[in-house]
Amino acid sequence: DSGVTQTPKHLITATGQRVTLRCSPRSGDLSVYWYQQSLDQGLQFLIQYYNGEERAKGNILERFSAQQFPDLHSELNLSSLELGDSALYFCASSVVRGGQGEAFFGQGTRLTVV
Amino acid sequence: SQQGEEDPQALSIQEGENATMNCSYKTSINNLQWYRQNSGRGLVHLILIRSNEREKHSGRLRVTLDTSKKSSSLLITASRAADTASYFCATDNFGNEKLTFGTGTRLTIIP
Repeated sequence: DSGVTQTPKHLITATGQRVTLRCSPRSGDLSVYWYQQSLDQGLQFLIQYYNGEERAKGNILERFSAQQFPDLHSELNLSSLELGDSALYFCASSVVRGGQGEAFFGQGTRLTVV
Repeated sequence: SQQGEEDPQALSIQEGENATMNCSYKTSINNLQWYRQNSGRGLVHLILIRSNEREKHSGRLRVTLDTSKKSSSLLITASRAADTASYFCATDNFGNEKLTFGTGTRLTIIP
């Protein structure tokens, strides 16, 4: 158990819908990362927050948004969903601000868009 | 875009043999990490090597880093069936706080 909790574990939704994925980082970790993993794209970095502030942005679509709340949990919002958004979405947390420390991953949310 | 690329993409070996995976990256790095992912599960950190280090060991794992060639290798000695997983390298760069993962090597240990 990494200490990072992601909910829900599975999500099936229709095209055009909006979903919210939730991540609770390890106790004491201030950084939260979001990644998308699909079969043909590997593990794609989406966005990183540190103590409530956005620190780095990757290949995140405009239809996607995220935030980190004062209690340090984070949410990833995916809207106007398309079939191609079906993937595993991982959250990771780290005690350090940047990527120079060990990241702890949650078990992921498997999103299926039908 | 991926910073790193692992080679080979897939590797099958007999239990007890050694497994070697390579990672090449494009830009100068601050640190390089290796992670393992069992099928459909979250990634687990294995080892971190800093840009000023050349070799690091952890149990049956040995990691080397050659910054002049922008490459790293992960050696797993005396492989076990439980080592069957995908292995990813991840890098962070100076002044860039994101942790970028490579494409992964799928390792299968044949009992």
